[in-house]
Amino acid sequence: DTAVSQTPKYLVTQMGNDKSIKCEQNLGHDTMYWYKQDSKKFLKIMFSYNNKELIINETVPNRFSPKSPDKAHLNLHINSLELGDSAVYFCASSQVTSGGRNTGELFFGEGSRLTVL
Amino acid sequence: GQNIDQPTEMTATEGAIVQINCTYQTSGFNGLFWYQQHAGEAPTFLSYNVLDGLEEKGRFSSFLSRSKGYSYLLLKELQMKDSASYLCAVADSNYQLIWGAGTKLIIKP
Repeated sequence: DTAVSQTPKYLVTQMGNDKSIKCEQNLGHDTMYWYKQDSKKFLKIMFSYNNKELIINETVPNRFSPKSPDKAHLNLHINSLELGDSAVYFCASSQVTSGGRNTGELFFGEGSRLTVL
Repeated sequence: GQNIDQPTEMTATEGAIVQINCTYQTSGFNGLFWYQQHAGEAPTFLSYNVLDGLEEKGRFSSFLSRSKGYSYLLLKELQMKDSASYLCAVADSNYQLIWGAGTKLIIKP
């Protein structure tokens, strides 16, 4: 069984379009994330979301919006795509400890490679 | 600012030992992680250090010195399948992970 799954795995689209990437985790984790990995290979957190709070990274343009219908799903919607949005987007999840702290160990999806033409 | 530094690329020989270093400057410290990422795949968890010292797990060991802001990942008996990028990440005071750019390890026969 896939622990963290995201679709689509590959996405090619034109500038200006709107697209979504879906993510689901079956680990029962409370916290989910979206990361962007660009050509320089840095993993940059975009959003983290748990039952209580959506944490927005201030460097993320408001064209990016996460949507979480329930704690097992965290989708990423991108409006008005730009060339610079081309990257691999990773969904991940982790478990909050009983003390309310995040263990930090992340379980990643396989990634969604977005190419904007 | 917060910063994680690690070498961009390293080359080693099959069967040998390699040490990948990571230095960090972060606002708070709640542990240091090493992840392995094969090309085109997702990162996978290797190790977690929160106290000073060496943690051994099979062929892989990870060391931490909090006073020096320093960690290393030691890989022994290198195999071709160990060719990958190795990512160092530090959990800051808010338990958010700050990531290095990764070290690409190339294993030669």
